[in-house]
Amino acid sequence: DAGVIQSPRHEVTEMGQEVTLRCKPISGHDYLFWYRQTMMRGLELLIYFNNNVPIDDSGMPEDRFSAKMPNASFSTLKIQPSEPRDSAVYFCASSSLAGGPIDTQYFGPGTRLTVL
Amino acid sequence: KQEVTQIPAALSVPEGENLVLNCSFTDSAIYNLQWFRQDPGKGLTSLLLIQSSQREQTSGRLNASLDKSSGRSTLYIAASQPGDSATYLCAVNTDKLIFGTGTRLQVFP
Repeated sequence: DAGVIQSPRHEVTEMGQEVTLRCKPISGHDYLFWYRQTMMRGLELLIYFNNNVPIDDSGMPEDRFSAKMPNASFSTLKIQPSEPRDSAVYFCASSSLAGGPIDTQYFGPGTRLTVL
Repeated sequence: KQEVTQIPAALSVPEGENLVLNCSFTDSAIYNLQWFRQDPGKGLTSLLLIQSSQREQTSGRLNASLDKSSGRSTLYIAASQPGDSATYLCAVNTDKLIFGTGTRLQVFP
């Protein structure tokens, strides 16, 4: 099992540009989570999906952020336009249907985003 | 609003010591509590998951306890090794994970 796959691993962009982060969950997992980690706020849940449907997006900071899950094996987190305060490490995680969001979550390696 | 606090924020110890990391949370209405390890530049690795009905879980040199009524959990690391150096995060699950700020552990030879 390859685990949760995220791309790119590092992204450097300029303020105002669109940024797209990608995630492939573990095969067979029905829950997918996007998190953001910063020094100031720690690790925060942005949004999670169940069977490709967004369940809770209350953590999405503002309308510049959007997330999609077009199929069971792929999800994107998009920031448009990006701002320097969006600089952070973004993690994707997945878990199985059996336990749902209360089961163990498996994390990807993260995407380190720097907005200049 | 659920808040999760971890003490200490950082810890540096010589190899071989037994360690206790602390986690406290404000709302006892949780499904479970998880301890994770994070290495620099890496993602999180789940170490232990304690269901709300359980008191403790053990995995090798790690033992985690949960006292839901008092809003506390501890992670005990026996006979620490330099390879244990990492940041340890606890997270309570209230249908989504709420993380503490972590304890940065350094074990030196």
